[in-house]
Amino acid sequence: DADVTQTPRNRITKTGKRIMLECSQTKGHDRMYWYRQDPGLGLRLIYYSFDVKDINKGEISDGYSVSRQAQAKFSLSLESAIPNQTALYFCATSVTGYTDTQYFGPGTRLTVL
Amino acid sequence: QKEVEQNSGPLSVPEGAIASLNCTYSDQGSQSFFWYRQYSGKSPELIMFIYSNGDKEDGRFTAQLNKASQYVSLLIRDSQPSDSATYLCAVIYSGSEKLVFGKGTKLTVNP
Repeated sequence: DADVTQTPRNRITKTGKRIMLECSQTKGHDRMYWYRQDPGLGLRLIYYSFDVKDINKGEISDGYSVSRQAQAKFSLSLESAIPNQTALYFCATSVTGYTDTQYFGPGTRLTVL
Repeated sequence: QKEVEQNSGPLSVPEGAIASLNCTYSDQGSQSFFWYRQYSGKSPELIMFIYSNGDKEDGRFTAQLNKASQYVSLLIRDSQPSDSATYLCAVIYSGSEKLVFGKGTKLTVNP
């Protein structure tokens, strides 16, 4: 079984709809991250959480919110989806920030019409 | 602004050749540097990390770090078609615990 899972894997939605992307991990890592990837723009950090009570905005948090329900679960919400939020979304986990690897989930491809 | 710059490519090399991927970063105080490989439509996976000046070798891969020049590179020896992917350079800047990614270099290894 995969250590970092994301649901759904693909989602098509309409402008204005609320949508939630979920991430679960069995690695026992405290730190979790949400990134989006757009062609030509690379990976950009949306939100990150260093533990259940610590949630921080990344470089592109506008239009997104997150919830850390447990050490193993970190959800990303789009309250009112817009077409320019169409992207590939990745969840990642790590043990520490300075030296440890980030492990990525398989990604969610989101299309907002 | 903290930046990580990579040549977007595409970089094309013949099978068996050495592929050289380059990355520059803007903060001289940065301590940790990573190379990730990403196949099309898949998630990034770590190839190597390097913290000290000089070379670090792992099989066919060698990471090279020059902090004075703010430059990190990845060499792939005996390139194989299965190495065809996008390679992402990532840096943890001083005073931060977050990765900043470059936009990636697409590598194609031709049989």
